[in-house]
Amino acid sequence: DSGVTQTPKHLITATGQRVTLRCSPRSGDLSVYWYQQSLDQGLQFLIHYYNGEERAKGNILERFSAQQFPDLHSELNLSSLELGDSALYFCASSSGRGVPYNEQFFGPGTRLTVL
Amino acid sequence: ILNVEQSPQSLHVQEGDSTNFTCSFPSSNFYALHWYRWETAKSPEALFVMTLNGDEKKKGRISATLNTKEGYSYLYIKGSQPEDSATYLCASVNTGFQKLVFGTGTRLLVSP
Repeated sequence: DSGVTQTPKHLITATGQRVTLRCSPRSGDLSVYWYQQSLDQGLQFLIHYYNGEERAKGNILERFSAQQFPDLHSELNLSSLELGDSALYFCASSSGRGVPYNEQFFGPGTRLTVL
Repeated sequence: ILNVEQSPQSLHVQEGDSTNFTCSFPSSNFYALHWYRWETAKSPEALFVMTLNGDEKKKGRISATLNTKEGYSYLYIKGSQPEDSATYLCASVNTGFQKLVFGTGTRLLVSP
């Protein structure tokens, strides 16, 4: 158990809908990262938050947004869902500002299926 | 954008065999190289973070080496056990885009 929690574990929804994925980092970790794992692709970095502030964006679509709250949990909002958004979404946390040599601790993931 | 490649894509060995896989990454502006172990139905778990050329790290039967000048890292597993069956991911970080860029992994299956 990494100490990172994600809810829900599974989510099935229809095209055009909006969903929110939730992540709670390990106790004490200020950095939260979101990743997307699609079929036949490696983990793709989406976005990084540090202590409530957005630090970096990766391949995140404009239909997707995220935020980190004062209690450090984070939410990833996916809207106008398309079939291609079906994927496993991971949240990870690390200590510090997210300097590249800090290992990241991954949550169990949320499997999103868009029908 | 970094291009991180891993080989082989998959590997099937017998219990007791030693094995190794490769991670290739752009050597320019290198910052760090991460290795993660991802078991089926679980989440990726960090094995090593390496930053220095020539670095060598070890955790039990698993070890890794790093060559930043030529842009590759090797992961070795000595005396593979069935519980080593997993996908092994590497991820590179460069000084420009300071986030993990993952390869697609090497899937290892160890048969008893």
